[in-house]
Amino acid sequence: DAGVIQSPRHEVTEMGQEVTLRCKPISGHDYLFWYRQTMMRGLELLIYFNNNVPIDDSGMPEDRFSAKMPNASFSTLKIQPSEPRDSAVYFCASSFGGAIEAFFGQGTRLTVV
Amino acid sequence: QKEVEQNSGPLSVPEGAIASLNCTYSDRGSQSFFWYRQYSGKSPELIMFIYSNGDKEDGRFTAQLNKASQYVSLLIRDSQPSDSATYLCAVKEAGFQKLVFGTGTRLLVSP
Repeated sequence: DAGVIQSPRHEVTEMGQEVTLRCKPISGHDYLFWYRQTMMRGLELLIYFNNNVPIDDSGMPEDRFSAKMPNASFSTLKIQPSEPRDSAVYFCASSFGGAIEAFFGQGTRLTVV
Repeated sequence: QKEVEQNSGPLSVPEGAIASLNCTYSDRGSQSFFWYRQYSGKSPELIMFIYSNGDKEDGRFTAQLNKASQYVSLLIRDSQPSDSATYLCAVKEAGFQKLVFGTGTRLLVSP
């Protein structure tokens, strides 16, 4: 299995632009998580899905952030408009049901200038 | 606000020594406890998990849990330079799938 696949690996964008981050979970996994990691705040859960349905989006910082999971093999995290404080590494992770381990993708390093 | 606290470090130990990493959590409903290792520029990977009070050993790693004190620790015996990384503590509530992470402790093992 290729693991959790995220794209792009790096994104540099100007303030005010729309940014879309993409994630392909491990096949057969029914949970998908989006995390954001910064030096100051560590790894923060933004939102997670179960069977493509958003379960908890309490970590989404504000209305500029939105996430979708149109099918079991694809999810997007969109930021519109982007701001410099959104600069961080965004991780997608997936897991299966009651399994112990969540597997992380390689992350997308976002820089907003 | 449910919190997981860790000392950011760095924790410096010589090769061969025991490294002790600590974590406290605020939510008494937490049922599962995890240690992830993250190398610089890489994604977190699970190295240990523990559910019950006491110790759990896996090779050079021992996780310790004290629910009454809301305290979790990770001991790394015979530390190697390859253990140099950031160690993230995470907790999960019963019935919930989401993990709440601490900010991590950076470990440096010198040859």
